[in-house]
Amino acid sequence: DAMVIQNPRYQVTQFGKPVTLSCSQTLNHNVMYWYQQKSSQAPKLLFHYYDKDFNNEADTPDNFQSRRPNTSFCFLDIRSPGLGDAAMYLCATSRGPSNEKLFFGSGTQLSVL
Amino acid sequence: AQSVTQLDSHVSVSEGTPVLLRCNYSSSYSPSLFWYVQHPNKGLQLLLKYTSAATLVKGINGFEAEFKKSETSFHLTKPSAHMSDAAEYFCVVTLPGGYQKVTFGTGTKLQVIP
Repeated sequence: DAMVIQNPRYQVTQFGKPVTLSCSQTLNHNVMYWYQQKSSQAPKLLFHYYDKDFNNEADTPDNFQSRRPNTSFCFLDIRSPGLGDAAMYLCATSRGPSNEKLFFGSGTQLSVL
Repeated sequence: AQSVTQLDSHVSVSEGTPVLLRCNYSSSYSPSLFWYVQHPNKGLQLLLKYTSAATLVKGINGFEAEFKKSETSFHLTKPSAHMSDAAEYFCVVTLPGGYQKVTFGTGTKLQVIP
């Protein structure tokens, strides 16, 4: 019954080696979000898609990119991971852009060696 | 601009006693307010949501929250804590209209002592 699915659950990469995290949803929601959550901190929004419109947060590093090839899938690409990028990455969806509750996936825990 | 302040980073209660997790917000507009729960190594799950209807909102697992505009508060309560309530709780505010601007509080970790 999982509605927002993130793969893999755990990802280990090497310093500087590109990595891609994936998210899929069965809710047919218009908006998909990527959040970064470091230990004992609140989730921090990196960017979101409203349909095909990409919206980057002002303080999201250029090292982070995203793709949304269709309604169901969204990818987070980290071009050159640094040690500081080790975190939990959460994908979320919402039906619309306003006052809608967020549906979260279980997250991908990224380790950078 | 909007902001959310969760007044306690950690709260510890005994099983069977009441829970109070505090949240204050500031917003230039009438906000929507949410509480999410995050169990260890899991994603966030919606507990309850306020969107300008009844000021007392009931959520899942026996939680409820009361919106008090005069105090700009949205505190989360539960009459009797259960061991399974041990988790991190986030208060969230969003602005109406347009692209959703979501602001998270810094979280409150709830410990339940047997």
